[in-house]
Amino acid sequence: DAGVIQSPRHEVTEMGQEVTLRCKPISGHDYLFWYRQTMMRGLELLIYFNNNVPIDDSGMPEDRFSAKMPNASFSTLKIQPSEPRDSAVYFCASSDFGDSDEQYFGPGTRLTVT
Amino acid sequence: AQKVTQAQTEISVVEKEDVTLDCVYETRDTTYYLFWYKQPPSGELVFLIRRNSFDEQNEISGRYSWNFQKSTSSFNFTITASQVVDSAVYFCALILNSGGYQKVTFGTGTKLQVIP
Repeated sequence: DAGVIQSPRHEVTEMGQEVTLRCKPISGHDYLFWYRQTMMRGLELLIYFNNNVPIDDSGMPEDRFSAKMPNASFSTLKIQPSEPRDSAVYFCASSDFGDSDEQYFGPGTRLTVT
Repeated sequence: AQKVTQAQTEISVVEKEDVTLDCVYETRDTTYYLFWYKQPPSGELVFLIRRNSFDEQNEISGRYSWNFQKSTSSFNFTITASQVVDSAVYFCALILNSGGYQKVTFGTGTKLQVIP
């Protein structure tokens, strides 16, 4: 398997624009996680899905953030409208409940909002 | 509530020295998993080890070793004979998995710099 795939790897956008980050989990994994990493706040869990269903979105900072998982092989994290404080690295991770709970991380998307 | 504390923000050692990274966790659950991840300067998060709460055996993998002590709620990580390639941020994480509901808590990380 190719591992967790994220796109784009880098995104630069202007404040107020909509940003969509994409993730393809490892085939067969039934959990998908979205994290945000900043210098100030470290690694924060934003939301996670189990079998495509959002289970816990308590980490989503505000209504400008939304996440979807329309099928087992694709998820999106959308920010609308974006703000400079959203600048961070966003990681997607997947895991297999029946396995070791180890989360396999994607390479991350570095988002810069100017 | 769950909590993971990595009290060492940054550590610098000279190459070939041994170094221990501390991780202290808090949870009321009796079943949980502890992890260590490495984040090198390139930015990706690399899995190092997983330990479940019922397995207190220490583990050694090459230059890496882990000491899990439930009595002190600690899961410390030691690198023996450190190398420059070990320079990275290391995260300790606690995962509770109860009936499909997962609670994930990462520590704030320890930045290790190995000086040649």
